[in-house]
Amino acid sequence: DTGVSQDPRHKITKRGQNVTFRCDPISEHNRLYWYRQTLGQGPEFLTYFQNEAQLEKSRLLSDRFSAERPKGSFSTLEIQRTEQGDSAMYLCASSLDGRGRLPNSPLHFGNGTRLTVT
Amino acid sequence: LAKTTQPISMDSYEGQEVNITCSHNNIATNDYITWYQQFPSQGPRFIIQGYKTKVTNEVASLFIPADRKSSTLSLPRVSLSDTAVYYCLVGERGGYQKVTFGTGTKLQVIP
Repeated sequence: DTGVSQDPRHKITKRGQNVTFRCDPISEHNRLYWYRQTLGQGPEFLTYFQNEAQLEKSRLLSDRFSAERPKGSFSTLEIQRTEQGDSAMYLCASSLDGRGRLPNSPLHFGNGTRLTVT
Repeated sequence: LAKTTQPISMDSYEGQEVNITCSHNNIATNDYITWYQQFPSQGPRFIIQGYKTKVTNEVASLFIPADRKSSTLSLPRVSLSDTAVYYCLVGERGGYQKVTFGTGTKLQVIP
């Protein structure tokens, strides 16, 4: 178990470009989350997957944002037509929903992808 | 999910015990209380979780009074490496939190 990994760690892009981030969760975890964090603030929830199903999306997630988790394994977060306001740290987390048979695990976070839009 | 209130910042000397209190007046019957620690340029890391009374692990203790409207994270004998932001959250057991973490408490440990 190497924990949650995110790629890339840093991304600089020009306004209007599309970017895609990848998250590899802990292998046995069935839940995967995306958060966004700006300087001095706590992480804000963006979206959440249970296996491959995207079960919830925050109203913060505009139409320019899309997330996928094919086959319930890794996940990607794409931002289209980036804006300067998208500059932030994008955090991925995973957890195990024990479904009553095992204890639920807490969130395990990756170290994020820092996006800078110029 | 229940809103939480915590001090914005705290300072402590090395070797001291630090107690960070979190208020969550609207906590629901099924809610658990979870604390995370975050260092700069890293994702938050789980510290401890509890439902009532006291929980202790190798890192911290969590004290929860009978009415569960507040909780206190206790860090024994802090060191410089404990300088971080500490977040208190309430919600589903296991830490599923679909709302913002809030600004947390920035703990500065002084030599």
